[in-house]
Amino acid sequence: GAGVSQSPRYKVAKRGQDVALRCDPISGHVSLFWYQQALGQGPEFLTYFQNEAQLDKSGLPSDRFFAERPEGSVSTLKIQRTQQEDSAVYLCASSLGFRGGPSYNEQFFGPGTRLTVL
Amino acid sequence: KNQVEQSPQSLIILEGKNCTLQCNYTVSPFSNLRWYKQDTGRGPVSLTIMTFSENTKSNGRYTATLDADTKQSSLHITASQLSDSASYICVVSAGSGGGADGLTFGKGTHLIIQP
Repeated sequence: GAGVSQSPRYKVAKRGQDVALRCDPISGHVSLFWYQQALGQGPEFLTYFQNEAQLDKSGLPSDRFFAERPEGSVSTLKIQRTQQEDSAVYLCASSLGFRGGPSYNEQFFGPGTRLTVL
Repeated sequence: KNQVEQSPQSLIILEGKNCTLQCNYTVSPFSNLRWYKQDTGRGPVSLTIMTFSENTKSNGRYTATLDADTKQSSLHITASQLSDSASYICVVSAGSGGGADGLTFGKGTHLIIQP
């Protein structure tokens, strides 16, 4: 596609529910990133994929957060037993290059999914 | 610890006026610095990227400067328009490797342009 797309754009969940957020990166982009952005803050790194391999998950705040990219394209961020502190915008970004390459850090962002946990 | 500090936190100016946003960083080793514009409800969009050897780069009414010695960058907006209302995020890269945490994001400056 022309850009990174995310769905749903908005999600309201009751505390304790599980949610799944989808990211469709730009076709052919090797690298995929997930970020969490609280209101009025900059994005905070969650996890990184290179193709289907999850090479860095150091930013995931707890074991309730799980991400996958099984075929190296679409990615899903799953949050189990959601808590109110999980309320945020979840941004997905993709870049063309591999880690260490010149285009690795040229990230293109999706519009985000705004998650509200009641 | 790598950090990026932006100021002011928020800014309100009248349409047509100029403004300058600041970014100070303590990121090492330095690779590049990007300014992103994030409209409400949208993802960040890159405005400029600057490497160590670049002092100034322009993109239309946006001009970014970089002083690698003092580790400071600024984003100057000329003749502001209502559509400039957004958050402006400074992002510093600590190198082309090292994983995604090689990027350090500032918290952004929230700019409001009033008619």
